[in-house]
Amino acid sequence: GAVVSQHPSRVICKSGTSVKIECRSLDFQATTMFWYRQFPKKSLMLMATSNEGSKATYEQGVEKDKFLINHASLTLSTLTVTSAHPEDSSFYICSARARWEVLRRAKVLFFGSGTQLSVL
Amino acid sequence: DQQVKQNSPSLSVQEGRISILNCDYTNSMFDYFLWYKKYPAEGPTFLISISSIKDKNEDGRFTVFLNKSAKHLSLHIVPSQPGDSAVYFCAALRSNTGKLIFGQGTTLQVKP
Repeated sequence: GAVVSQHPSRVICKSGTSVKIECRSLDFQATTMFWYRQFPKKSLMLMATSNEGSKATYEQGVEKDKFLINHASLTLSTLTVTSAHPEDSSFYICSARARWEVLRRAKVLFFGSGTQLSVL
Repeated sequence: DQQVKQNSPSLSVQEGRISILNCDYTNSMFDYFLWYKKYPAEGPTFLISISSIKDKNEDGRFTVFLNKSAKHLSLHIVPSQPGDSAVYFCAALRSNTGKLIFGQGTTLQVKP
């Protein structure tokens, strides 16, 4: 199946610093990428949808100035957690929708392996 | 407002028996449903899906049933194997938005 690479897998940072998470589609072009956040023992919550070349669309309650999303190419999207605080500690996961018609019909999203962010 | 609900946080079954994971949804606009399997500190992996125009889809040991009138779907795993132990998320999709909405997940434990 299609591969989505997410980096880093784990990051520990001090409060007030910014952290960048990368999401790459390795063998397909992703016109749309989604960013999710998971709290312990909770569901995956959609944070934002990013389309290549345009501004991201954020879900209600998600601070766009706190979580900066850039989707500069068809294979790369980045999430930057700015001025991170302990309450931003969470598991962040990206997913990608392939441009390929056959995959679009299958409605399947491919997920990255996630990034565990811990803010001290 | 939780549009997709998995009311059972955990399920334990014996190896070889059937595992049934349930999921309910509230939005009748969802037109596609998917099940994902997830291990701790990893991203979800796709398992099986079903279109809203169908009521059953089968793939090996995994079968998903959809009851549109009840807004309910279930995942059957038979026979269950210890390697199936993981968290299972159901997810619903509105094709025109492309957004997957996840349930809370059910932790399945298959005992040898």
